[in-house]
Amino acid sequence: DIQITQSPSTLSALVGDTITITCRASQTISSWLAWYQQKPGKAPKLLIYKASNLETGVPSRFSGSGSGTEFTLTISSLQPDDFATYYCQFSRTFGQGTKVEIK
Amino acid sequence: EVQVVESGGGLVKPGGSLRLSCVASGFTFSNFGMSWVRQAPGKALEWVSSISGSTTYIYYADSVEGRFTISRDNAKNSLSLQMNSLRAGDTGLYFCARDKGYYDTTGSSPFDHWGPGTLVTVSS
Repeated sequence: DIQITQSPSTLSALVGDTITITCRASQTISSWLAWYQQKPGKAPKLLIYKASNLETGVPSRFSGSGSGTEFTLTISSLQPDDFATYYCQFSRTFGQGTKVEIK
Repeated sequence: EVQVVESGGGLVKPGGSLRLSCVASGFTFSNFGMSWVRQAPGKALEWVSSISGSTTYIYYADSVEGRFTISRDNAKNSLSLQMNSLRAGDTGLYFCARDKGYYDTTGSSPFDHWGPGTLVTVSS
């Protein structure tokens, strides 16, 4: 089975910062990676699919890149609404999650 | 507007059974694969089961294979998850989610619409 490793597990940042979250696959997965945002007690929200495609309605400060085994989610100019937990997904496997908290 | 709403969660004793339901609206239900994803308290998301629009393809996580059964009724726009032999480790918030429709080589798709979830607690 392909393993997905997401890092960091926690990230502290300020409003206005640019942050990056990474997911690594144990084998090449082409561009088949998605990213989600989840707030406490709420359902996840799809942000990015196929590594770099922005889901409809998602602000352009969110971007995804990568292919093969290494992928990144970048949030530019972090907004107060962006403090949440982020997950990557390949196939039926989710990453461990990255909690973005206020520094 | 696309909507999915789960129901059927509750408190059940270990070894017991529960049936979750999900009702969908705002899209042609039979055209989309559907899935169940769960989240134990304070833990990461965990995929549970998926079913294709025509029910041709059904998949289960190893952790629930043989205990859970996914099904759908396209005439009623509904998805179900029959959960038997429940364990404490099955406790969590269960989400119903729609496949976006971009299928990878494993037949899996990201999920573009999710319900608010229904809570399952397995405890004596």
